[in-house]
Amino acid sequence: GAVVSQHPSWVICKSGTSVKIECRSLDFQATTMFWYRQFPKQSLMLMATSNEGSKATYEQGVEKDKFLINHASLTLSTLTVTSAHPEDSSFYICSAPGGGVTEAFFGQGTRLTVV
Amino acid sequence: GQNIDQPTEMTATEGAIVQINCTYQTSGFNGLFWYQQHAGEAPTFLSYNVLDGLEEKGRFSSFLSRSKGYSYLLLKELQMKDSASYLCAAMDSNYQLIWGAGTKLIIKP
Repeated sequence: GAVVSQHPSWVICKSGTSVKIECRSLDFQATTMFWYRQFPKQSLMLMATSNEGSKATYEQGVEKDKFLINHASLTLSTLTVTSAHPEDSSFYICSAPGGGVTEAFFGQGTRLTVV
Repeated sequence: GQNIDQPTEMTATEGAIVQINCTYQTSGFNGLFWYQQHAGEAPTFLSYNVLDGLEEKGRFSSFLSRSKGYSYLLLKELQMKDSASYLCAAMDSNYQLIWGAGTKLIIKP
């Protein structure tokens, strides 16, 4: 089946620095990519929807200047957490929709810890 | 508003049966999903129901009642590897998934 590869799997960074997370669709073209954040024992929260060749759509309450999303090609979407703070520590997951409504291909997730 | 409710945690015994319930309220409805998520990993698709009734797939079955806004996931012949969080998600009229917080299932020998 289709695969979405997400890197890195985990990252520890210092407060104030930026971290880039990549999601690649390996054997299909993803015109749309969903970015989620999941805090411990909480549900996946949609942060933004990235669309190839256009600006991402951010959910209410998500700072677009802090969470920079770039979807420059049909196989790559990136999320950059800028000026990271400890409260940004979370599990970030990308997901690309497939051809059918039941198809959603998830990346492996990235555990971000800001110290 | 849109809301998904499911129990926070459940405990069951290896070899037994467990039912995880989920109630939902969404703006429109385009189906109910169940995902399995092991700690530190992305969710894995288990089932999708869009019509009322029971869908059986091996040891796992999923039920939907649209009139009641209710679904359950039934796991039979529980194995230790079934210990995970089970996420209920409803798809709204915009085809966006609304996620529950997940039910942590603990399997005891």
